[in-house]
This record gives sequence, C-alpha cells and structure tokens, in this order.
Amino acid sequence: GDSVTQMEGPVTLSEEAFLTINCTYTATGYPSLFWYVQYPGEGLQLLLKATKADDKGSNKGFEATYRKETTSFHLEKGSVQVSDSAVYFCALSAENTGFQKLVFGTGTRLLVSP
Amino acid sequence: KAGVTQTPRYLIKTRGQQVTLSCSPISGHRSVSWYQQTPGQGLQFLFEYFSETQRNKGNFPGRFSGRQFSNSRSEMNVSTLELGDSALYLCASSGDRVGREQYFGPGTRLTVT
Repeated sequence: GDSVTQMEGPVTLSEEAFLTINCTYTATGYPSLFWYVQYPGEGLQLLLKATKADDKGSNKGFEATYRKETTSFHLEKGSVQVSDSAVYFCALSAENTGFQKLVFGTGTRLLVSP
Repeated sequence: KAGVTQTPRYLIKTRGQQVTLSCSPISGHRSVSWYQQTPGQGLQFLFEYFSETQRNKGNFPGRFSGRQFSNSRSEMNVSTLELGDSALYLCASSGDRVGREQYFGPGTRLTVT
C-alpha cells in the first residue's frame, strides 16, 4: 500500500541554520504530496504542497520539490527561526482514493535554539 | 473565511461509554475527513464523507462510525470506548479540486479512563 517515510527526529538546530527533513514515499501513479506542521496543542497546518513531478511547493521560506525519479519530497529552509520549532509531517494522497485519504509519515520534531 | 471547527475540544469518558464528536467544515467545502492521532500509531485515516455519503474508509473497527449532514457538518461516533481510543481526533475539510489540500481543525482530545 501507499506509505511515507520520514527521517527520525528530533532535529536540533541553532537559529539561522539550514534545515533539511527527508521524506520518501511509495505510491502507485502520481500522488499529491504535502508538508503539514503541528504546533503544540494544535491541529495540523498545511505548509506546502506539490501535485505533479518537478513541482516546487513553497511557503514562509520553506520549500520542497516533487522528485518522481527518487520518490522524494524533502523539506528545506535556508535559515530557521525559534518559531519554526514544531512537528513536521510529510503526507501523500493518491488517485485511488480520489486524493481524499492522506497517508502520513511519522513526523519529525524540529527544535530550534536561539 | 472561518476555519474548520471541532467541538468539544476536550472530553473525558469512561471505558464502555460512547462519544460523539462534531466538525464544521470551511464554508463551501463538501468533503470532510476524520483522522486519529496517537503517539504509538501516529496519524491514521478513519473515514471521509462527501455530500452525506461515506466515500473512503480506513481500517478501524465498526465501533467507529460517522455521518455527514446536508450542510456538510459531520459527526463521528465511537461506541463501547476502550482505553486505546484515547487520542486526538482531527477533522479536515477540502474543496472539490483535484489534488486538493485538506484543512484541519484544532482537534478533539479524547481521554478514556
């Protein structure tokens, strides 16, 4: 079945450091790919998305490129801030569920220190 | 536009009881999905409703059920609660475009004692 694999956390960085969180997926066809972020005590917020190969999603300084050849969607940010500390989830939705069932990775906790 | 709202935000129930959670989607969204989040199993899909019909279903026992009303509001019900049902239950809504993103509510934290 469809699945998403994320790097284990926590990822600990100093403010202004470069961030990469790896995400790879397994799915038939051409899934849509997403990054969601969850702050303590809150629901999930959509961070960015990409719906076809070579698309780059971007938002608030975060970027991720849909790589079909490596089945990856790695999240990057050039300079993290303390306020970026949260749990990040990579997810996909596949055509066989009408793109309505999100399959999530296990989440990666990011801790940014001043 | 108002976001997805869920009520109640917190709930404490006793094993064996039943519970109903409510979700109001973003105005104009007709699809509502439910997810369970636990530390052990992560985020798991429960079911999705569109125009009052269940369109997708995850791998949960029949104790978990849902419904959607004509105004797109949705409820999920868990009967005969077990300790393992303690979780954050998240509702999400989406529009009709292909590749559509889902927007999540703040969740209902259910504790079963």
